[in-house]
Order: sequence, then C-alpha cells, then structure tokens
Amino acid sequence: GAVVSQHPSRVICKSGTSVKIECRSLDFQATTMFWYRQFPKQSLMLMATSNEGSKATYEQGVEKDKFLINHASLTLSTLTVTSAHPEDSSFYICSARDSGRANYGYTFGSGTRLTVV
Amino acid sequence: RKEVEQDPGPFNVPEGATVAFNCTYSNSASQSFFWYRQDCRKEPKLLMSVYSSGNEDGRFTAQLNRASQYISLLIRDSKLSDSATYLCVVNRPGGADGLTFGKGTHLIIQP
Repeated sequence: GAVVSQHPSRVICKSGTSVKIECRSLDFQATTMFWYRQFPKQSLMLMATSNEGSKATYEQGVEKDKFLINHASLTLSTLTVTSAHPEDSSFYICSARDSGRANYGYTFGSGTRLTVV
Repeated sequence: RKEVEQDPGPFNVPEGATVAFNCTYSNSASQSFFWYRQDCRKEPKLLMSVYSSGNEDGRFTAQLNRASQYISLLIRDSKLSDSATYLCVVNRPGGADGLTFGKGTHLIIQP
C-alpha cells in the first residue's frame, strides 16, 4: 500500500520549453504532496508543498512562477517547469504521506530525470 | 551548521561485516526521524523510522540520542545487496510539513 506514481520517469527537452511532471497517489488520498529536487551528489531539497484545493507553499529561493504546481484533486499533483534552462536539469521527486498509516511515513514517486539541452 | 549532517563515505566494507552510520541534526525541535535507502538514480525508500527507545528490524538497528541530536544506524551481517546510499532524514519542525534530508552515506559491500 501507499503507492505514489510519478510520470514521466525521464524527459529531455529543449531550452525554453515547458515540462509537466505528474504525481499520483494510487491507493490513498493525499491532501498534501511534496516536490523535491536532487542535484548530483547532493541531498534532496524540498522545493514546495502542494496543497489540494489551495496554493502551493514554496521554499525560499524557489520561483513560484517558474515551477507551477497544481493540486486539483486528492490523488494528483503536477509540477510544471516553465521556460526550462539547462540549470534546471535535475532529478525531481514527489512524495506524499498517507496519514492513515501508523508511522506517518512518506512515500516517494520514482522520480523524473529532467535534462534540458 | 547543516540541518542534517552525515559522513558521505564511501564506506567500503567486506560482506558479513557490521557497519555503523551516524548522523547529527541541528534543530532540537525535530520530532520524527527516519533512515531511507537510495539506490543509484532511484527514489529514496523508507528503511526504518527511528524511535527514542531505539528499534531493530532484522539486521538493522537504529538509535536516537535527543540530548546529543544524534541518530545512528547499525547494519549487521552486511549483504552485497546492502550497497546503497543511506539517507538520514528528519521532519521539518515548527508546524512545517515535509522532510529534511542529509546528503547520505554511500556504502559499498565488497564480496
């Protein structure tokens, strides 16, 4: 249980284009989902917290107009990287927490490896 | 001081040996602690939660020392399949949700 599906797993796009990444909770409802980014040899860094039916909360230094987050349902959050540049190339991972589970563990999607050329 | 600090390694350990990782965290208000495992180019997967009393899951033992803000993970009888990066993770205190990750400790089990 507590499965999070993320799509696509890998994407290569041209500089200046936009890329949408989807994150779905498959067997539970998630009012909150999280988007992380991981650069090579670095730790995962929280970018933003996605809240169902309301605006996302962005971490300091993360541009909300560049990283658009939509959480329109209890099982789906999307992250759109707008006007992508090579420095946006990274591993993007979503996460959700099934609050119905005892240890309140966070489950991660399989990640999206974005390469901007 | 980094929020969650770990020795990056790599730790090169022979199969069957016991290996221990340590981690320190800076925010004394943190309440939840985890060890995650991350394989190369994959997402992190929960290995175990860490409780104040210490807890064990098979070959894995986790300890928490709140006074020293220190977390440990012990792996006994290491297997080749234990090779991975181990991430020390704490919750973000102060009502914020989400997690703060260490950079991870890279473990290589050698045959």
